[in-house]
Amino acid sequence: EVQLVQSGAEVKKPGESLKISCKGSGYSFTTYWIGWVRQMPGKGLEWMGIIYPGDSDTRYSPSFQGQVTISADKSISTAHLQWSSLKASDTAMYYCARRFSTGRYFDYWGQGTLVTVSS
Amino acid sequence: NFMLTQPHSVSESPGKTVTISCTRSSGSIASNYVQWYQQRPGSSPTTVIYENNQRPSGVPDRFSGSIDSSSTSASLTISGLKTEDEAAYYCQSYDFNNPWVFGGGTKLTVL
Repeated sequence: EVQLVQSGAEVKKPGESLKISCKGSGYSFTTYWIGWVRQMPGKGLEWMGIIYPGDSDTRYSPSFQGQVTISADKSISTAHLQWSSLKASDTAMYYCARRFSTGRYFDYWGQGTLVTVSS
Repeated sequence: NFMLTQPHSVSESPGKTVTISCTRSSGSIASNYVQWYQQRPGSSPTTVIYENNQRPSGVPDRFSGSIDSSSTSASLTISGLKTEDEAAYYCQSYDFNNPWVFGGGTKLTVL
């Protein structure tokens, strides 16, 4: 069974750093792209970026380029999303999702990680 | 860049049929596949339609997708509405310069 399990909710202060994770199982982690999607409170889905764990090829949405870093550790089948300096506006639910092998859509999603940034 | 525009909300009664539209702001809707995701309150999104009109296994055939090549719209149609269909629905497409574009989402109320 394909599963993407994300790390737990985080509460941080503005200016702090953060790294959240997404562990894949039940499939070959290195041969499927993993994307990250933001959902701000009460809002829609926004694509942030995507990584191919096999060679760490990474693409970012222009809206998020330079704001976050996406990485992957294939030795532990885990993708990461990190911030070096959080802002209150980063408060959101963050989902990882697996890109279907031959299509431009996400076929499996993680359960989401809620990040709250507040002083 | 292009945008995908959806109605903010729709409502319909159980047993009826509802159609949700997704309009592309520029370029042909037929140029790239359209997907639809369902997000129930408090849950992660799931795919209900991919590649315009394909259903993943486990999605009932009450869900169908289509595109209107003569216009710039895609549609998700849900027939025989059930209360469990109450959710937000998002369309998604792409092009060479915009790898992943989501619509703003449509809240479906089944009452």
